[in-house]
Amino acid sequence: SQTIHQWPATLVQPVGSPLSLECTVEGTSNPNLYWYRQAAGRGLQLLFYSVGIGQISSEVPQNLSASRPQDRQFILSSKKLLLSDSGFYLCAWSTGTMMQYFGPGTRLTVT
Amino acid sequence: DAKTTQPPSMDCAEGRAANLPCNHSTISGNEYVYWYRQIHSQGPQYIIHGLKNNETNEMASLIITEDRKSSTLILPHATLRDTAVYYCIVSRGNAGNMLTFGGGTRLMVKP
Repeated sequence: SQTIHQWPATLVQPVGSPLSLECTVEGTSNPNLYWYRQAAGRGLQLLFYSVGIGQISSEVPQNLSASRPQDRQFILSSKKLLLSDSGFYLCAWSTGTMMQYFGPGTRLTVT
Repeated sequence: DAKTTQPPSMDCAEGRAANLPCNHSTISGNEYVYWYRQIHSQGPQYIIHGLKNNETNEMASLIITEDRKSSTLILPHATLRDTAVYYCIVSRGNAGNMLTFGGGTRLMVKP
């Protein structure tokens, strides 16, 4: 069966510090991968999606970036965090079907 | 993708059916209706999707009106564990299978 992992589960970082969140998927090949962010009390905002290794599409301009170094690995990064980057970050995957499967999320607090 | 409108909150008694409405009056012919739910502090969970016909699975039923401008998600016997935010999403399911999450309906199942 397929599983999706995200780490860390929670993170507290100071403003201006770098960020690296990792997502890995097991049990499937060539998945579509997504990064979403959910601010407190708000809906989900799609940040990036990838249909293959090295292929990244950005939905919202921001100080975040994403990379896909391996087929089942998706990384969200920032060189300098802002207070507004606080939120719940979710990774998701899908295949040829139209269903997306979400990971457990990382709760980021920028102080 | 078409926009959806959902009531911000609903209550339901435990054991009774929960009927969650969604309006999508600008839906186009090749767009599907998806339902996801998000339990507090977890990633969203896929529930069901449909194009024209009504659909049923082990979790819920989806009723789509003949003109496809609205739909209803039915949880036949709501339990306390069904308390969550329910998102109705319309998408073509094209490359990247992007889903736009709005505010959703916060369903509170009460004993």
